[in-house]
Amino acid sequence: EAGVVQSPRYKIIEKKQPVAFWCNPISGHNTLYWYLQNLGQGPELLIRYENEEAVDDSQLPKDRFSAERLKGVDSTLKIQPAELGDSAVYLCASSRDRGAPADTQYFGPGTRLTVL
Amino acid sequence: GQQLNQSPQSMFIQEGEDVSMNCTSSSIFNTWLWYKQDPGEGPVLLIALYKAGELTSNGRLTAQFGITRKDSFLNISASIPSDVGIYFCAGRAGGTSYGKLTFGQGTILTVHP
Repeated sequence: EAGVVQSPRYKIIEKKQPVAFWCNPISGHNTLYWYLQNLGQGPELLIRYENEEAVDDSQLPKDRFSAERLKGVDSTLKIQPAELGDSAVYLCASSRDRGAPADTQYFGPGTRLTVL
Repeated sequence: GQQLNQSPQSMFIQEGEDVSMNCTSSSIFNTWLWYKQDPGEGPVLLIALYKAGELTSNGRLTAQFGITRKDSFLNISASIPSDVGIYFCAGRAGGTSYGKLTFGQGTILTVHP
């Protein structure tokens, strides 16, 4: 079974430029998560999707960040415009069923963003 | 955002030694998870705990879900060089926050051969 796929793996941009990250979850996983991981910290949830619906986006800075999961499968996270403080690793994760006690989140390798 | 209190921040040990790390929270969690993250990769689940007091093993790893539901520990016995990495605890609450994981800051483990 293929894991969570993310692209690009690395991205270097100048501040004020837009950037987008793509995630393809594990086949059959209804729930998709975007996390932000700053250096030396654990991941922090940005947004969670149940199929195509964003059910928790309370931690997403909506002035510059947006996300979509139009067909309930793959997802895109966008930052426009990027700021220096956005430099971090952006992780995508997916799980089969958030209602199951043993529901497990599987993480992708992440996209490392550097804003100059 | 909120993060769990994980300690120690880093450990330098000799191959063959046992390792212990723990995680505490001011909030109650229904699930405790332990992940390992290698450089350039996402976290990989090691052990999941679903009941207070539960003690679960996975090979040389053993983890426990604290009775108060506010803490958990992870032990690694007879460490080997491939145990090197960053270990994260994560808690999951119930209710409307069911799917949301709150992570600790991580414990960086270095194993000297």
